[in-house]
Amino acid sequence: EDKVVQSPLSLVVHEGDTVTLNCSYEVTNFRSLLWYKQEKKAPTFLFMLTSSGIEKKSGRLSSILDKKELFSILNITATQTGDSAIYLCAAKMDSNYQLIWGAGTKLIIKP
Amino acid sequence: ETGVTQSPTHLIKTRGQQVTLRCSSQSGHNTVSWYQQALGQGPQFIFQYYREEENGRGNFPPRFSGLQFPNYSSELNVNALELDDSALYLCASSSPAGGGETQYFGPGTRLLVL
Repeated sequence: EDKVVQSPLSLVVHEGDTVTLNCSYEVTNFRSLLWYKQEKKAPTFLFMLTSSGIEKKSGRLSSILDKKELFSILNITATQTGDSAIYLCAAKMDSNYQLIWGAGTKLIIKP
Repeated sequence: ETGVTQSPTHLIKTRGQQVTLRCSSQSGHNTVSWYQQALGQGPQFIFQYYREEENGRGNFPPRFSGLQFPNYSSELNVNALELDDSALYLCASSSPAGGGETQYFGPGTRLLVL
């Protein structure tokens, strides 16, 4: 069965800390791994990763994919209270457009 | 360029009733996917529509049905509502260009079934 597992399920840190969120996947005919941030309702797109070992970066956020070990990490440096959200990862299969989603990591940044 | 919109934002129904949720896709996108997100969980894929045809379906019963219109907007219909149908319903639009991986989400409809 195709599945995506995220860890930890929740995380509480202080402003300024660095966090690493994990996403492992077992998906048939894997094509790409996506990260989204969900604050209130709509998940907003962060990164799409298709190649191993190539870091994608956007400001304080970065992400990398390991297709051999079947996982991805999302790093956030110098966290701010506005980073508090649920971070979702999803794997896309080659066969169709369906995304297989993890349960998310709830990140809380304390001032 | 307009983003994905959904209506209504909130809805309260009772068990056994039927509900229709609506989604307008982002300009230029011809694919709409629907997801159900229960509290504390990731989105669960319901189905996807591409050019007015169902293009894949998740593990949801037939009382979940959908439509896509020529302008690529879409409806999700749920019949015989059950308490467990209470959730946030998200639609996402995408374009097959570039593989269609990046899906852009609407704000969702929060459905409460009493």
